[in-house]
Amino acid sequence: DSGVTQTPKHLITATGQRVTLRCSPRSGDLSVYWYQQSLDQGLQFLIQYYNGEERAKGNILERFSAQQFPDLHSELNLSSLELGDSALYFCASSVRGAGSDTQYFGPGTRLTVL
Amino acid sequence: GESVGLHLPTLSVQEGDNSIINCAYSNSASDYFIWYKQESGKGPQFIIDIRSNMDKRQGQRVTVLLNKTVKHLSLQIAATQPGDSAVYFCAESNQFYFGTGTSLTVIP
Repeated sequence: DSGVTQTPKHLITATGQRVTLRCSPRSGDLSVYWYQQSLDQGLQFLIQYYNGEERAKGNILERFSAQQFPDLHSELNLSSLELGDSALYFCASSVRGAGSDTQYFGPGTRLTVL
Repeated sequence: GESVGLHLPTLSVQEGDNSIINCAYSNSASDYFIWYKQESGKGPQFIIDIRSNMDKRQGQRVTVLLNKTVKHLSLQIAATQPGDSAVYFCAESNQFYFGTGTSLTVIP
């Protein structure tokens, strides 16, 4: 158990809908990262937050947004969902958000768009 | 652009043999690399890391080798066990790039 929690574990929804994925980092970690993992794309970095502020952005679509709240939990919002958004979404956390930090990954949320 | 890629998508080894998983990177300025293990149905888990001022680092049954000249790193697993079956990723931390992973299958 990494100490990172993600809810829900599974999510099934329809195209065009909007969903919110939630992540609670390990106690004491200030930085949160979001990744998308699909079969043919591997693990793709989406976005990083540190202490409530966006720190780095990867291949995140405009239909997706995220935020980190004062209690350090984070939410990833996915809107106007398409079939291709079906994937595993992982959250990770680290202490400082520095490049040399070890990232601790949560168990993931499996999103299925029908 | 920068990338981190793995040479082989799958690797099968006999239980007890040593495993070697390779990874190439393109950014010569990269100074920190991490290997992660992802078991089926779980998130990636940190195995070992190495900084660019080192060329070898050892952990418990695992060794990472870094060759900066050819921008290549490898993960060696000694005496591979069935519990080692997983997908292995190398990551270049500063850029958050991961490859598609190498799937290691250990044959009992």
